[in-house]
Amino acid sequence: KAGVTQTPRYLIKTRGQQVTLSCSPISGHRSVSWYQQTPGQGLQFLFEYFSETQRNKGNFPGRFSGRQFSNSRSEMNVSTLELGDSALYLCASSLGDKGFPGNTIYFGEGSWLTVV
Amino acid sequence: GNSVTQMEGPVTLSEEAFLTINCTYTATGYPSLFWYVQYPGEGLQLLLKATKADDKGSNKGFEATYRKETTSFHLEKGSVQVSDSAVYFCALRSGSARQLTFGSGTQLTVLP
Repeated sequence: KAGVTQTPRYLIKTRGQQVTLSCSPISGHRSVSWYQQTPGQGLQFLFEYFSETQRNKGNFPGRFSGRQFSNSRSEMNVSTLELGDSALYLCASSLGDKGFPGNTIYFGEGSWLTVV
Repeated sequence: GNSVTQMEGPVTLSEEAFLTINCTYTATGYPSLFWYVQYPGEGLQLLLKATKADDKGSNKGFEATYRKETTSFHLEKGSVQVSDSAVYFCALRSGSARQLTFGSGTQLTVLP
């Protein structure tokens, strides 16, 4: 069974540009969430999607957005990039609410974004 | 709200030493508790979890017991190996918050 797949793994962008990151969840998983990891702030929740609907959102500016497609694949977009957006962006998937809150959330290997 | 407080790092141990990483939490509702591990350059892997009081999660020689009375979920291993060198995150899910709330992470280095 394939795990959570994220693309691209590494990318470098210039300040002011925008970026789109992609995530394919584990087959059968309908919930996809995104986290940002930085040395200073640690792991912070961005948003969660279930059946193409955003159910939950973290405390990030509107420049951060996402969406989920009917096949559960998800993308997140960051517009007008700032130097502080340099981070590891992690996608995670789970079955959804079955077994919540103890059901396991599985993470991808992440997309390393560097803003210069 | 939910919060996780994790033992400050980094932690450096010799191979075969005993490991404890402390984790305490505050949660609304009845949380489920998790330990994740992150190896260099990789994403997070679930190490173990516990979903109710007094449950013990275990995996790869690591153990943690859900202590409701002390709101703790300390990670232990009796004999660490060089390959255990990684960052360890304590996390919880609870209440209406479907996301994981993470501690700050503890960097463990095991020397041969």
